[in-house]
Amino acid sequence: EPEVTQTPSHQVTQMGQEVILRCVPISNHLYFYWYRQILGQKVEFLVSFYNNEISEKSEIFDDQFSVERPDGSNFTLKIRSTKLEDSAMYFCASSDYGEGPQHFGDGTRLSIL
Amino acid sequence: TQLLEQSPQFLSIQEGENLTVYCNSSSVFSSLQWYRQEPGEGPVLLVTVVTGGEVKKLKRLTFQFGDARKDSSLHITAAQPGDTGLYLCAGISSNDYKLSFGAGTTVTVRA
Repeated sequence: EPEVTQTPSHQVTQMGQEVILRCVPISNHLYFYWYRQILGQKVEFLVSFYNNEISEKSEIFDDQFSVERPDGSNFTLKIRSTKLEDSAMYFCASSDYGEGPQHFGDGTRLSIL
Repeated sequence: TQLLEQSPQFLSIQEGENLTVYCNSSSVFSSLQWYRQEPGEGPVLLVTVVTGGEVKKLKRLTFQFGDARKDSSLHITAAQPGDTGLYLCAGISSNDYKLSFGAGTTVTVRA
């Protein structure tokens, strides 16, 4: 069964550094998402992406964050100047249509030191 | 952001017993999805319900969407230790495509 893959599975970074989290969505899906889950808290929406542009973003997704689809398969989340509170699991998801079921990757655990 | 309340937060039962997890909101959702999440992994989609009053079955799991599309339930019949896990409900509103998640219900089935 097709799946969403994310790399790396774990990223450890010094505070202030930039990180890029990578995702390969399911190949025929057109809608892409990033979510975040801080330890012990709910999964939170960050951003949705369709037709090469952001379609919606949450208040969490400020100027520190950016997303890109650099080629036909990858979808990336860049976090600039990381802070301690950016430590969380980051999940990528994709769906084949806007209201369609979203399929999640296994996440990247980001640890900021 | 639409708020989804899940209850109970924790549920511990003996193998063979039945259980029900509830997901409630004051908001209307165009669809609602149930996921199961294992530690260190991403949420795995179990089912999507779209129509008010809809009932879907997945082996021993029964999912129901409320008539008004504001609430949903997950019922597990004759629970087994393999059903142990975190169950999440998540809704999509009619205004956008983002998922709003509940806090989850941790189910433990004792052998």
